[in-house]
Amino acid sequence: TQLLEQSPQFLSIQEGENLTVYCNSSSVFSSLQWYRQEPGEGPVLLVTVVTGGEVKKLKRLTFQFGDARKDSSLHITAAQPGDTGLYLCAGGRGDYKLSFGAGTTVTVRA
Amino acid sequence: DTAVSQTPKYLVTQMGNDKSIKCEQNLGHDTMYWYKQDSKKFLKIMFSYNNKELIINETVPNRFSPKSPDKAHLNLHINSLELGDSAVYFCASSQSAGGGETQYFGPGTRLLVL
Repeated sequence: TQLLEQSPQFLSIQEGENLTVYCNSSSVFSSLQWYRQEPGEGPVLLVTVVTGGEVKKLKRLTFQFGDARKDSSLHITAAQPGDTGLYLCAGGRGDYKLSFGAGTTVTVRA
Repeated sequence: DTAVSQTPKYLVTQMGNDKSIKCEQNLGHDTMYWYKQDSKKFLKIMFSYNNKELIINETVPNRFSPKSPDKAHLNLHINSLELGDSAVYFCASSQSAGGGETQYFGPGTRLLVL
């Protein structure tokens, strides 16, 4: 059973459109991370959020951690082909482990 | 100056064989991990070592045996390979063993068992 559920599983949009990826759980996390994985590569960290209600912006990417620290979202504004990849959320509960969601495959068409 | 490196990148082998995957990190981190990513892209933790000591050992067949000769290296040996072992195996490292630490991943080893 996965601790973190991501939705949607696949997302295909046109360049310039906006998109949102969701990461939900019934468990509370002390921190939540978002990674992006490109084909043939390992995941690379985008952001870590640790405070309930926290919002972090990274250029066109906005990350939000839910007030109860059980969910998170990633919003991309004016998506570009370079945003194409597998987006993974991962939650830490202070027990050495990072639990990953199943990922959202995002394709941005030029 | 690759941070986390793995060898080999591709591994094609027959069922029943024994194979090893090597991982090295030059970040000075204390903690290293092995993950398995299946065909549906789900990343599952297998093992973790902190300062050469095993701290995470998930439900993994005992055909899989990790070895950490020093803090910078974590190898994975697999005995009697099975078809279901086909996957991408990622090594990762983090500064310390806290669950919320940033993990730095290697490029992966694509294992195909025929």
